[in-house]
Parts: sequence; C-alpha cells; structure tokens
Amino acid sequence: DGGITQSPKYLFRKEGQNVTLSCEQNLNHDAMYWYRQDPGQGLRLIYYSQIVNDFQKGDIAEGYSVSREKKESFPLTVTSAQKNPTAFYLCASSSPNSGNTIYFGEGSWLTVV
Amino acid sequence: GEDVEQSLFLSVREGDSSVINCTYTDSSSTYLYWYKQEPGAGLQLLTYIFSNMDMKQDQRLTVLLNKKDKHLSLRIADTQTGDSAIYFCAENSPNYKLSFGAGTTVTVRA
Repeated sequence: DGGITQSPKYLFRKEGQNVTLSCEQNLNHDAMYWYRQDPGQGLRLIYYSQIVNDFQKGDIAEGYSVSREKKESFPLTVTSAQKNPTAFYLCASSSPNSGNTIYFGEGSWLTVV
Repeated sequence: GEDVEQSLFLSVREGDSSVINCTYTDSSSTYLYWYKQEPGAGLQLLTYIFSNMDMKQDQRLTVLLNKKDKHLSLRIADTQTGDSAIYFCAENSPNYKLSFGAGTTVTVRA
C-alpha cells in the first residue's frame, strides 16, 4: 500500500540526548515536510524539502536538523538544543502530480523524561 | 498571530448538521483544505476546494468558499459520533507549504 510511514510511534528521550524520527514515503512525492503539534495548537512547520539534497527551514527550525539523501526518506533529528521537544511530530509529503495536496503520516510522540 | 483562524470548540447533537468556520488571509491561495484528526493519529485529508470555486459537495460534506471575505466553512450533514475529532482548515502558500488553523474540536453528543 502507498503511504507515509513514521517510526517510532512513541519515543522517550532523556534530556541532553539527540533523537532521530524516521519518515519514509512510497508515494513518489517530491516534497516532504515535518510539522510539530502541541496540545490545543495548530501545526507548525519545522523543515521542508522540495527535492532530494535540498531542504529549507520552516517557522520553528531551531534545535532540529534534517537530511534528504533519498527521495523517499526525510529523517528529523531533535537535538539537545531544542528546549521543549516534547510534542507530536507529523511528517508529510506532496507532489505536483497530486495537485500539491499534502498527505500526512500517523505521527510520532516524543516525550523528554 | 496565525494566518488561519478557527473557533476552538463545537458541540453538536447526533443527527444535526455541524458547521465549522475558518478565515484566512492569503488571497493568493489556490487551494484550501479541511483535514480531520482523530486522537493520537495523523491528519486525514477530508476535502479541498480550488479557489475559483464557491462550493464543493462530497457526500455528507459541503465546503463553502467566500473568497471576497476570505471565509471557508465545512458543513457535515447528519453528524455521527465518528465525526468527533479535531478539524483543521489550511491554506496553501506559493512554495507549497500549508498554513494551518489551531483546529476546531468537534464533540458529538447523543
């Protein structure tokens, strides 16, 4: 089945540690995105990539890093520099072939303990 | 402040119609979207409307767009308990990003 797979679904991290969230898509989409969602708030864009080997900062990129070495993969690293990393993280992708509509994965919960 | 605004909560009786409203600011948006999020899950695309349309109907869902007032609404007919969720309005930007509202939590009561 085509879709966007995020892993892990739940992740606990100790303060001071980096953690990487995986996002893989088999939709052949060119663009991929990472959003952060906090309770009672909308989605905020962390990073996005419109093409392989290229990515841009979103609205809240500080404390995060990404890579886009393959079209189907866009991992997000939450670094120790991120002051308040506990949140729900959503990966998404889109393509001009599908009207640039953005489709989402099921999300990853990150909790800092 | 946010570019997309929605009311935060809506309570509706089962079987009634729900109307969720949204205002946006970017007049160059070509598409406007409605997403549904159930607890602990990702966002599911419900429907979208192209900016040159006034209305789009898809089964129980009706989207109305007033481009002059930058107002978008989603009507859910015959609301069911399975419609309880958070609904997000979103507008696209020229570089294919989306701007989201804070979400409207819809609670369906018996």
